[in-house]
Amino acid sequence: SQQGEEDPQALSIQEGENATMNCSYKTSINNLQWYRQNSGRGLVHLILIRSNEREKHSGRLRVTLDTSKKSSSLLITASRAADTASYFCATRETSGSRLTFGEGTQLTVNP
Amino acid sequence: GAGVSQTPSNKVTEKGKYVELRCDPISGHTALYWYRQSLGQGPEFLIYFQGTGAADDSGLPNDRFFAVRPEGSVSTLKIQRTERGDSAVYLCASSLGGLAGGQDEQFFGPGTRLTVL
Repeated sequence: SQQGEEDPQALSIQEGENATMNCSYKTSINNLQWYRQNSGRGLVHLILIRSNEREKHSGRLRVTLDTSKKSSSLLITASRAADTASYFCATRETSGSRLTFGEGTQLTVNP
Repeated sequence: GAGVSQTPSNKVTEKGKYVELRCDPISGHTALYWYRQSLGQGPEFLIYFQGTGAADDSGLPNDRFFAVRPEGSVSTLKIQRTERGDSAVYLCASSLGGLAGGQDEQFFGPGTRLTVL
């Protein structure tokens, strides 16, 4: 079953704009991870944020985590056409090792 | 190789047939995971190996699905009596595992697209 819910389901922006995607989840987690996927294959790991962290940066990516609201956001700054892809959040619960994925946000960056 | 590899990349089979999907994890990774992804959905967990043993197989949908990892490296996902509803992309991932357990980053392979006619 899917735990995470991503919002929005689809996002279309112009190159150079910022893109923000949100993720909500239901259970207690150990960490939350964001992945990118092109053309339905090959998930690429973007960033991992642990439950005791509130914010993390990696290049043009900024991730926040609010465990009280059970939500996370992914911000991509200065977007590029090459950022066009599906973005998924995935949670690792405090018990177990599986990742539980949301249904993803389809981001389109128009040149 | 540097990453997780999966073979075949595409598999077309007929309803009722048996299929095997292979995953080669990153060398040295003790944890291996199988996920299944249907069109327009996020991946869904199937099974997790730590070394040779299946530490969590609660995601396998039914007893037609089985996976092995006999030497703690390569894994094979086996599907018996395939059904049209089994059509999906099957993704394999590996991570360092060990003391980190499942807390570390999972690296995904390109997937096998299974089509059951």
